[in-house]
Amino acid sequence: EPEVTQTPSHQVTQMGQEVILRCVPISNHLYFYWYRQILGQKVEFLVSFYNNEISEKSEIFDDQFSVERPDGSNFTLKIRSTKLEDSAMYFCASSSRDWYQETQYFGPGTRLLVL
Amino acid sequence: AQTVTQSQPEMSVQEAETVTLSCTYDTSESDYYLFWYKQPPSRQMILVIRQEAYKQQNATENRFSVNFQKAAKSFSLKISDSQLGDAAMYFCAYRSANTGNQFYFGTGTSLTVIP
Repeated sequence: EPEVTQTPSHQVTQMGQEVILRCVPISNHLYFYWYRQILGQKVEFLVSFYNNEISEKSEIFDDQFSVERPDGSNFTLKIRSTKLEDSAMYFCASSSRDWYQETQYFGPGTRLLVL
Repeated sequence: AQTVTQSQPEMSVQEAETVTLSCTYDTSESDYYLFWYKQPPSRQMILVIRQEAYKQQNATENRFSVNFQKAAKSFSLKISDSQLGDAAMYFCAYRSANTGNQFYFGTGTSLTVIP
C-alpha cells in the first residue's frame, strides 16, 4: 500500500540555522500538508499546498517557513532561521481531493530538535 | 476555530476486552467529517475510521466502531476484542466540509493493551 515517507527521521540543529524537511507524498495525490506537534501538545496544522501554491496556512506559518515542490515527487518544508520553539515533530500528509471528505494520509514524521 | 477534546490521556484494556475512547468537539458548522487515527510506536499515523456528519448511521470497520452523537458533539471510538497490536496513540480529528481542508486534532489518548 502506498505510503507517505519523510526524511530525515530526526534532525538536530543549532538555533538560527536553516533546516529543510523532506516528504514524498503518495504518487497520485494532489494536495499536500504540513502539521507539527510540539511535545505534549496537539497536532497543529501549518500549511496546505495545491497546484504549486499555498492554498491555506495557519498563524504558525510565518515568514520563517516556506514550502516547495521542487520536482514531481518531493514536498519540502523549510525553516529559515530556527528558534528553540520550533522543536517539534513535523508531519507531512497528502490527499487526493480537497473539498470532499477525502482522507489525509500521514507520514511517520521528522523530529526536529533546535538547540 | 474548531476545537477537539480528548479527555483521556491514557487508557488501558485487557486483551480481548472492549474499550471506548472519548472525543468531543466544538463547532458551529453542520457539515463536517470526523476521523480517528492510530499512531503506533513506529509513528506512522494510520486512519482507523471516519464519519460524515450528515450520516446518522455510525461508521464501523471490523473491530472498530464509533458512537457519533451529533447533538452532543461527541465521537467516541469503541475497540472490540482488543489485540496487542491495538496499542498506540489514538487521535480524534475534525475537518470542515466547507471552510478549509485542515484537520483539527485532539491531544490523543495512549492506549495500552494488557496481555
